[in-house]
Amino acid sequence: NAGVTQTPKFQVLKTGQSMTLQCAQDMNHEYMSWYRQDPGMGLRLIHYSVGAGITDQGEVPNGYNVSRSTTEDFPLRLLSAAPSQTSVYFCASRPDSVQTGELFFGEGSRLTVL
Amino acid sequence: GEDVEQSLFLSVREGDSSVINCTYTDSSSTYLYWYKQEPGAGLQLLTYIFSNMDMKQDQRLTVLLNKKDKHLSLRIADTQTGDSAIYFCAEAQAGGFKTIFGAGTRLFVKA
Repeated sequence: NAGVTQTPKFQVLKTGQSMTLQCAQDMNHEYMSWYRQDPGMGLRLIHYSVGAGITDQGEVPNGYNVSRSTTEDFPLRLLSAAPSQTSVYFCASRPDSVQTGELFFGEGSRLTVL
Repeated sequence: GEDVEQSLFLSVREGDSSVINCTYTDSSSTYLYWYKQEPGAGLQLLTYIFSNMDMKQDQRLTVLLNKKDKHLSLRIADTQTGDSAIYFCAEAQAGGFKTIFGAGTRLFVKA
């Protein structure tokens, strides 16, 4: 049972480059989300989705795009990477879109922007 | 807006009890969670409490909720070296779409 799978685990970018962080879940969860983790600031919500075709902004959405074309996948796109986007990114899902129960997290993607 | 605060570090000796504290601002929070993050891994749910409860016990874990003061605590009895991790407090509203996390408390357990 794979759960939530994130790729890549590590990535180094130069300022201005673009890239996509992949997230896939095999649990048929309606809700998926992206967080970034920074020292002393905990996890901050970037974007979330309550189902295929539906996305919305979280606390820190600027510089990031998302789409949800299937239930399984929720990629996070950085359009023009900046050093301030150096962080550890976590994808998380839960069974339903309404707030009940736990979030299931991937293992994280560590991104460094030079 | 919603905010969750917790101290950043806690150091205890093996066998002692650990108490990790958290305060939150949203009085409409329905669910309060404790997640554990081990090095190099994602977060995993440790325990949770509903806002209509005062206390929840699960083996070595005790969660206390003071709704009046918006204060949540996690007590780990007989702390072991394997409990060394970052512990995140989080809150959410029923019917809401966002779970708000604190900055995390790094627990060091000395042998």
